[in-house]
Amino acid sequence: AQKITQTQPGMFVQEKEAVTLDCTYDTSDQSYGLFWYKQPSSGEMIFLIYQGSYDEQNATEGRYSLNFQKARKSANLVISASQLGDSAMYFCAMREGRSGSARQLTFGSGTQLTVLP
Amino acid sequence: DVKVTQSSRYLVKRTGEKVFLECVQDMDHENMFWYRQDPGLGLRLIYFSYDVKMKEKGDIPEGYSVSREKKERFSLILESASTNQTSMYLCASSQLVPDTQYFGPGTRLTVL
Repeated sequence: AQKITQTQPGMFVQEKEAVTLDCTYDTSDQSYGLFWYKQPSSGEMIFLIYQGSYDEQNATEGRYSLNFQKARKSANLVISASQLGDSAMYFCAMREGRSGSARQLTFGSGTQLTVLP
Repeated sequence: DVKVTQSSRYLVKRTGEKVFLECVQDMDHENMFWYRQDPGLGLRLIYFSYDVKMKEKGDIPEGYSVSREKKERFSLILESASTNQTSMYLCASSQLVPDTQYFGPGTRLTVL
């Protein structure tokens, strides 16, 4: 079974609108971390936001927020007030086990977001 | 700011050549990682290192080796490059805690 599932290969959003990128995950660990990365066409992976499995509040970083629904095993990324520079591939990733355990990240297949002027 | 650099953005090599990809981080991070990224397959971990001279195999280590002689530097070695190793290679580093991985700009390797 896929550990990270991103069901939207491509998404379009109008500039200044909000957009939600879906991510569901599968793990039997109680302790895990969820990450979102942005990859522009230049290729570099840029860290956006992190949510720990024991964090009670949804993570926020500027225009990015993570809608964490633990029971549903979903960790959707919400981008508010989209900008043209947000056009990129977005990856959801999971680290199983506690932070500090030097565990690898498992990545989803990504969602290509295009912001329309 | 975390800075992870990779020796080349683009590299073209011939089949059978020995290829070195270098990664350097300037944040004193304990962990370093090498991934390859292919269309339709996403990012896959090749090797990682949690300390100097320590290494662990990832999901696809075959055909690769690594070296970590200094904390800041993690090298990926293709002993005898093959065409199926044409890919985008991404290096990352992280602290122990928090363990957010920070990536370099990537190296697009073409093996002819």
